[in-house]
Amino acid sequence: KAGVTQTPRYLIKTRGQQVTLSCSPISGHRSVSWYQQTPGQGLQFLFEYFSETQRNKGNFPGRFSGRQFSNSRSEMNVSTLELGDSALYLCASSPTQRNTEAFFGQGTRLTVV
Amino acid sequence: SQQGEEDPQALSIQEGENATMNCSYKTSINNLQWYRQNSGRGLVHLILIRSNEREKHSGRLRVTLDTSKKSSSLLITASRAADTASYFCATVLPYGNNRLAFGKGNQVVVIP
Repeated sequence: KAGVTQTPRYLIKTRGQQVTLSCSPISGHRSVSWYQQTPGQGLQFLFEYFSETQRNKGNFPGRFSGRQFSNSRSEMNVSTLELGDSALYLCASSPTQRNTEAFFGQGTRLTVV
Repeated sequence: SQQGEEDPQALSIQEGENATMNCSYKTSINNLQWYRQNSGRGLVHLILIRSNEREKHSGRLRVTLDTSKKSSSLLITASRAADTASYFCATVLPYGNNRLAFGKGNQVVVIP
């Protein structure tokens, strides 16, 4: 079974631009979550989607948004990029909608210059 | 705010020794999970322990959970060089979702 796939793996963007990151969950998994990892703040929850509906949202500004498609693939978008958005963005999928282990992708390393 | 919080120690041990990490949290949980991360890559799930469980084993891993003290420990026995990684605990609140609240992680270095 293929794991969680995130694309692209690396990205360099300029301040003020926007970026879209993609995540393909494990086949059959309908829950997809996104996390931001930085040296200063650690791993922080962004949002969770289940069956195309956002079920949870972390404490991030509205510049961070996401969506999930009918095939469970998910995208997250960050608009008006700031230097502080430089981070490793991790996507995780889970087989059910509650209280189960998460399977993480390798992440997208975003650098904002 | 962070829910899970590991003791912020970097651990350096010799191959074959045991490694112990601790994690504390602040509120009631549904379960607590431990993850491993190698060099800024994706996280790998190690073990999940539910709030009504006190101890769980998986291979060389042993996890304990003390809900009265709101703490957990991860023990890796007979460590190997390949165990060199960062280890994170994460809690799930009892609200029926998959949102993980991570601690800041423990860096473990196993010297061959």
